[in-house]
Amino acid sequence: SQQGEEDPQALSIQEGENATMNCSYKTSINNLQWYRQNSGRGLVHLILIRSNEREKHSGRLRVTLDTSKKSSSLLITASRAADTASYFCATDALETSGSRLTFGEGTQLTVNP
Amino acid sequence: KAGVTQTPRYLIKTRGQQVTLSCSPISGHRSVSWYQQTPGQGLQFLFEYFSETQRNKGNFPGRFSGRQFSNSRSEMNVSTLELGDSALYLCASSFRGREYNEQFFGPGTRLTVL
Repeated sequence: SQQGEEDPQALSIQEGENATMNCSYKTSINNLQWYRQNSGRGLVHLILIRSNEREKHSGRLRVTLDTSKKSSSLLITASRAADTASYFCATDALETSGSRLTFGEGTQLTVNP
Repeated sequence: KAGVTQTPRYLIKTRGQQVTLSCSPISGHRSVSWYQQTPGQGLQFLFEYFSETQRNKGNFPGRFSGRQFSNSRSEMNVSTLELGDSALYLCASSFRGREYNEQFFGPGTRLTVL
């Protein structure tokens, strides 16, 4: 079963607008990662935020992490049609040794030109 | 650096057959993980290999197995295929799979079981 829940499940915006996606998780984590997937293809790594970080930026992406609420958000600013994709958060649980990501259900983002 | 590669990209099998999927990680990466993606269950962890040893295993039946070679390339095998095994199988590699846990995914193998 998926640990994470993402909200909203689907988001449709116009080019140039900002898109915000939220992710909640259940266990204590080592880090949280965001990925993008275009229509049934592989996952593209966007950003990793460690449990002791609260905010991180990468280009047009801004990620926040609130470990007390077990939640994270991904903000994409000035969206483009090419940002249309599914976005997933994935957590690496604290008690796990090695790699074992637990994914959320994803948010389908549609950016209309 | 070349990315993660997976072969084959598409595969069609019938129930009862077995299948082997291959994954070549990014050069220098020692951890390889496998995930199954289906519309109903989403992305689920299968197993992780590090230095030729299975380090983590997800909740999948024993029909799903894998291995890793000394060059870090990995294979996964599914025996006695069922219709429900139809999925996109994704492989991911990372440097050591813990603190430096950025995982880089391959394009996936689309398996269809008829």
